[in-house]
Amino acid sequence: GDSVTQMEGPVTLSEEAFLTINCTYTATGYPSLFWYVQYPGEGLQLLLKATKADDKGSNKGFEATYRKETTSFHLEKGSVQVSDSAVYFCALGPTGNQFYFGTGTSLTVIP
Amino acid sequence: DGGITQSPKYLFRKEGQNVTLSCEQNLNHDAMYWYRQDPGQGLRLIYYSQIVNDFQKGDIAEGYSVSREKKESFPLTVTSAQKNPTAFYLCASRPPLGHSGNTIYFGEGSWLTVV
Repeated sequence: GDSVTQMEGPVTLSEEAFLTINCTYTATGYPSLFWYVQYPGEGLQLLLKATKADDKGSNKGFEATYRKETTSFHLEKGSVQVSDSAVYFCALGPTGNQFYFGTGTSLTVIP
Repeated sequence: DGGITQSPKYLFRKEGQNVTLSCEQNLNHDAMYWYRQDPGQGLRLIYYSQIVNDFQKGDIAEGYSVSREKKESFPLTVTSAQKNPTAFYLCASRPPLGHSGNTIYFGEGSWLTVV
């Protein structure tokens, strides 16, 4: 079945460091790929998405490219801020009307 | 404002009691979903519904029930049969296919604690 595997956390970075959170997927069809962000005690917010191979999603300095050849959708940001501290989820869908989420990666950015 | 509203934000359940979590959306979305999130864990699908009066079990439906009498509303009942209900519950919805229907949007979540 379809699934998403993302980098285990937690990740701790200094402010202005480069961020990469790895995400790989298994899918039988051609789903869209997403990154969501969750702040403590809140729901998930859509950060960015890509709907087909080679598409790049970007938002707020974050970006990820839909790589069909490596079945990956790694999240990157060139210079993180303290306010980026959150949990990040990689997801794919819809397939069979469902969405599949990774287990989340906790990011803490220290000043 | 358009969005997905979950209530209550915090709920306490006594042993043997049923409780209902509300989820309302005014986005005119067709599909709605309920997920459970345990601390430090990912999301697990409880139930989903594509249209009014129809819903399907997800991966962890045992001990839960839902209804979909109106397009806007998808309440989740946590029954006494759910032995470990303490968790964060997330409601989500998706537009019709062809209207950005490949994206799922979430409410703010509800915390349920057994006391």
